[in-house]
Amino acid sequence: EVQLVESGGGLVQPGGSLRLSCAASGFTFSKYWMTWVRQAPGKGLEWVANINQDGSEKYYVDSVKGRFTISRDNAKNSLFLQMNTLRAEDTAIYYCASGRGVSYWGQGTLVTVSS
Amino acid sequence: DVVMTQSPLSLPVTLGQPASISCRSTQSLVYSDGSTYLHWFQQRPGHSPRRLISEVSNRDSGVPDRFSGSGTRTDFTLRISRVEAEDVGVYYCMQRTHWPYTFGQGTKLEIK
Repeated sequence: EVQLVESGGGLVQPGGSLRLSCAASGFTFSKYWMTWVRQAPGKGLEWVANINQDGSEKYYVDSVKGRFTISRDNAKNSLFLQMNTLRAEDTAIYYCASGRGVSYWGQGTLVTVSS
Repeated sequence: DVVMTQSPLSLPVTLGQPASISCRSTQSLVYSDGSTYLHWFQQRPGHSPRRLISEVSNRDSGVPDRFSGSGTRTDFTLRISRVEAEDVGVYYCMQRTHWPYTFGQGTKLEIK
């Protein structure tokens, strides 16, 4: 059974940093693109970033370019999102998902940016 | 960016009746490899999204056959043949033909 478990969310002040993690199991992690998608409270879904199988290709939505960094550790079946210079508009549930087709999703981790 | 426009945004349906959601894109979603990367997702209240259909019409494993997808280029439809109580939630279309990948605004299905 595919499982994706996010962690690392919390309350942070504007301008602060957080590092999200996603632990994957139940599939061959190293063979898949991986993705972060976010959902602001009561709002729709927004694609944030994705990364290819060996980490050599990374893509970001414009609103996070230069502030967020996606990475992975295939030896540990883990996906990461380093978020710097956080803004109030980054407040959202952040989901880890498998593949560019986002076939499986984690339960999400809530990031709140507020003073 | 490709804009995905869903309609209606609110969909009240009687149990056992059919339902249909439209999704239109501002550019053709046919990729250079010939595939059309248009997917549909369901998000039940309080849950993570779940993919229902990939590449226009391919139902994911475990998805009831009352769900079907169709369409071409810029015009796509998700149909539910007979709505059940467990279908309540928000439905999203998503394209991954053009970067950045984008979602529709969501259609909230409720039972009348």
